[in-house]
Amino acid sequence: KAGVTQTPRYLIKTRGQQVTLSCSPISGHRSVSWYQQTPGQGLQFLFEYFSETQRNKGNFPGRFSGRQFSNSRSEMNVSTLELGDSALYLCASSLGTGFGTDTQYFGPGTRLTVL
Amino acid sequence: DAKTTQPNSMESNEEEPVHLPCNHSTISGTDYIHWYRQLPSQGPEYVIHGLTSNVNNRMASLAIAEDRKSSTLILHRATLRDAAVYYCILDRGSTLGRLYFGRGTQLTVWP
Repeated sequence: KAGVTQTPRYLIKTRGQQVTLSCSPISGHRSVSWYQQTPGQGLQFLFEYFSETQRNKGNFPGRFSGRQFSNSRSEMNVSTLELGDSALYLCASSLGTGFGTDTQYFGPGTRLTVL
Repeated sequence: DAKTTQPNSMESNEEEPVHLPCNHSTISGTDYIHWYRQLPSQGPEYVIHGLTSNVNNRMASLAIAEDRKSSTLILHRATLRDAAVYYCILDRGSTLGRLYFGRGTQLTVWP
């Protein structure tokens, strides 16, 4: 079974630009979660999508948005990039059962650098 | 978010057992205890999870205290590839994809 894939793996942008990151979940998984990882803040939850609906959202500004398509693939968008947005962006897929036994499978991440 | 407490770092020698502790004194009855680890330059990967009973899989064992206020991840024979940050996480299902990772324990394995 293929794992979670994320594209692109690396991105360099300048302040003020916008960026779109893509995540393809494991086949059969309907939930996709996004996380931001920085050395200072660690892994922080951005949002979760299930069946094309955002079910949960972390404490990030509205510049961070996402969506999920009918095939469960997901994209996240960051507009008006700031230097502090430089981070590793991880997506994780799961069955999304809502049970505590649900396991998240992570992709390798997209490394975003904002200059 | 239900919080867990882990040591910042631990060290082990290759081929020795490693016991990684986690305290979760505010755990609720429906919280599952999950362990993930993150190898350098990779996304986190699932290791094991349990509710009340001890659990074993091919990667590790999970020992859960009787009162469930603490747990221990056991790597039976550490290898260099086990050097990673280990995260102990509580999930009651209603988290809807939101896992609280905390800082985890950085495990160093010496050859």
